[in-house]
Order: sequence, then structure tokens, then C-alpha cells
Amino acid sequence: GDSVTQMEGPVTLSEEAFLTINCTYTATGYPSLFWYVQYPGEGLQLLLKATKADDKGSNKGFEATYRKETTSFHLEKGSVQVSDSAVYFCALSVRVDTGNQFYFGTGTSLTVIP
Amino acid sequence: KAGVTQTPRYLIKTRGQQVTLSCSPISGHRSVSWYQQTPGQGLQFLFEYFSETQRNKGNFPGRFSGRQFSNSRSEMNVSTLELGDSALYLCASSFSGIDTQYFGPGTRLTVL
Repeated sequence: GDSVTQMEGPVTLSEEAFLTINCTYTATGYPSLFWYVQYPGEGLQLLLKATKADDKGSNKGFEATYRKETTSFHLEKGSVQVSDSAVYFCALSVRVDTGNQFYFGTGTSLTVIP
Repeated sequence: KAGVTQTPRYLIKTRGQQVTLSCSPISGHRSVSWYQQTPGQGLQFLFEYFSETQRNKGNFPGRFSGRQFSNSRSEMNVSTLELGDSALYLCASSFSGIDTQYFGPGTRLTVL
């Protein structure tokens, strides 16, 4: 079935370090791909998305490219800040008969230390 | 535009009780989805409502139910609460259900 697999956390980085959070997916058809971020005590916020192969989503210095050949959507940021500390979720959306079905990864906790 | 709102933010109940959670979607959004988030299981899809009809359903027991009103507001009900129902319940809305979901802050349910 359709699913998302993302790297296990937690991840701890120093400020200004490079960030990669891996995400791979399994889906029939042509899914849309998303990264959401969850700050402590809050709901999920959309960080970026890509709706077709080779699309690059970007926001707040974060980027991810929809790679159909490797079924991946890895999240990257060149220089992380303390304020980026949060849990990051990779997700996909696929069409089903009755609409769209969303699948989320298990989340990767990121802590950035000064 | 106001975001997705959920009430109440926190709830404490005891086993065997029932609970109702409320979600108001972004204005104009017709699709509302509910998720259960726990440390062990992550985000699990409960169900989706669109135009007052349940359109998709996850793999949860019948104790979990929901409904949607004509103004797109949605409620979720859990009957005969169990300790394992303790979780953060998230509501997400989208315009049609086939595009980006926008999440509310969640309701933290604790079952004692």
C-alpha cells in the first residue's frame, strides 16, 4: 500500500550546520508530496510541497525536490537555526475514489543547539 | 483568514466516559479530516468529511465517530473511553480534500 518512510530521529545539530532529513515513499499513481513542521504544543504547519516529479518546494530556507526515479523527497536546509527545532513530517497525498488520502511519516525530531 | 480552530484545547476524562471534540475549518474549506497523534503510533488518519458526508475512514473502532454540519464545522465523538485513547487529536481542513491540508492546534485528550 501507499506509505511514507522518513529517517529516525532525534537529530541534533549545531547552529549553522547543514540539515538533511530523508524521506522515501511508496505510492501508486502520482502523489503530491509535503513537508509539515510541528512546534511544541502546536498543530502541524505546512512547510513546503511539490505536486509533480522534478518539482522543488521551498520555504524559509528549506528545500525538497520530488524525485520520482528514487521515490524520494528529502528535506534540506543549508544553515539551521535554533528556531528550527521542531518535529518534521513527510507526507504524501494520493487520489482515491472518494477524494484524496493522506499518509504521514512518523516524524523526525530536530534539535538545534547554539 | 482565520486558521483552523479546535475546542477544547485540553480535556481530561475517565475510562468509560465519552467525549466530543469540535473543529472549525478555514472559511470556504469543505473538507475536514481528523487524525490521532500518539508518541508510539505517530499520526493516524481517523476519517474525512466532505459536504456533511464521511468520505474516507481509517482503521479505528466504531467507538470513534464524527459528523459535519452544513457550515463545514465538524465534531468527533469517542465513546467508552479507554486509556489508550489518550492522544493529541488533530483536525485538518482543505478546500476540496484533494489539495493541501491545514491543521488546527489540536485537542489534547487525557484519559485517566
